[in-house]
Amino acid sequence: DAKTTQPPSMDCAEGRAANLPCNHSTISGNEYVYWYRQIHSQGPQYIIHGLKNNETNEMASLIITEDRKSSTLILPHATLRDTAVYYCIALTSGTYKYIFGTGTRLKVLA
Amino acid sequence: GAVVSQHPSRVICKSGTSVKIECRSLDFQATTMFWYRQFPKQSLMLMATSNEGSKATYEQGVEKDKFLINHASLTLSTLTVTSAHPEDSSFYICSARGIPGQSNQPQHFGDGTRLSIL
Repeated sequence: DAKTTQPPSMDCAEGRAANLPCNHSTISGNEYVYWYRQIHSQGPQYIIHGLKNNETNEMASLIITEDRKSSTLILPHATLRDTAVYYCIALTSGTYKYIFGTGTRLKVLA
Repeated sequence: GAVVSQHPSRVICKSGTSVKIECRSLDFQATTMFWYRQFPKQSLMLMATSNEGSKATYEQGVEKDKFLINHASLTLSTLTVTSAHPEDSSFYICSARGIPGQSNQPQHFGDGTRLSIL
């Protein structure tokens, strides 16, 4: 599975868009990118996933570069409740083991 | 959305006790469940993969006799920490993956069990 790298921490003002980058330069053609977040002392919460097209749901948007070597998770209007550690995972379709990296600790500031 | 329930949420017990943690998929059938552990300020580490009706597959370095996994039904997997010691204190988290309709479907996680061994 592709290794992912993320910045260790980011701050974002409440109400502004939070853009969380993820580098997966060794990703292969059939590897999906998944995003989860973990709020303190809880299990990870699924946010979104994609292969090569940009995706949007009620929580966030996922922008994947054309070469698929990186992606950005966008929280359009961050709230204090979005403060969490965000994990980006690349996974080959048909294999199911998640390998978690260190993630990005997002702090939303009032 | 898919719901995974984990029980208990917190357990405190004496050294030498065996502790069982349950992971249930509430609104879908889970052919595959995963068990992770997480130490403070660290990321999740996969311990084992549990497939319904077969033996679990353990990651390198995880003692299978220490961490017993049973996945007897499509909605329940259990992790038993045998003869627990203080170094086994950790946050244990399960996840579940449904019967494949799409091979890229995401895992859904329980809320974790905080195990403290005195």
